Amino acid sequence: KNEVEQSPQNLTAQEGEFITINCSYSVGISALHWLQQHPGGGIVSLFMLSSGKKKHGRLIATINIQEKHSSLHITASHPRDSAVYICAVSLTWKLIFGTGTRLQVFP
Amino acid sequence: NAGVTQTPKFQVLKTGQSMTLQCAQDMNHNSMYWYRQDPGMGLRLIYYSASEGTTDKGEVPNGYNVSRLNKREFSLRLESAAPSQTSVYFCASSEHLDSGNTIYFGEGSWLTVV
Repeated sequence: KNEVEQSPQNLTAQEGEFITINCSYSVGISALHWLQQHPGGGIVSLFMLSSGKKKHGRLIATINIQEKHSSLHITASHPRDSAVYICAVSLTWKLIFGTGTRLQVFP
Repeated sequence: NAGVTQTPKFQVLKTGQSMTLQCAQDMNHNSMYWYRQDPGMGLRLIYYSASEGTTDKGEVPNGYNVSRLNKREFSLRLESAAPSQTSVYFCASSEHLDSGNTIYFGEGSWLTVV
């Protein structure tokens, strides 16, 4: 079993829909990262959080340390949100990555 | 502000050839990393450098060497390329060797070994 599991692996949505991507982990962590990877492009850090909730524009990330679970929400999704979203957990200096959730948003 | 710049973006190698992937960051970060990304797998750490002058092995170091040339630059060398090294390679940097810091990635280098 992978130490970081994301669900779903693939997700399609219509423009305007509310999106939720989940991340579960099995190890004790110091922080959790949400990253975005566009096709053929680099990887961008969206959030880093160790407790509670963070919001940036239409993106919201939450974490429940006791349940070892985090969610990334996208409100009013748009085709430009189409990307792979990657969850990564911090173990002191080391990052362990999930395999990503591929999101496609259609107009 | 360029962030993390890596070259080349695409490369095709024959088995046994050598090559070096270059990486530079302009954020005055202490720590730099090389990852590889393969289909169906999460990013895996090849080597990292906690600070200028130090390098250490990550999860999958076999077949690779690195050099931390100065604070800005961290190169990855394949001495004798193998088809199993076909992958997308990402260089990254962060302020300190503490994964509680934000990590910044380069655009990736697509390497095919035939």
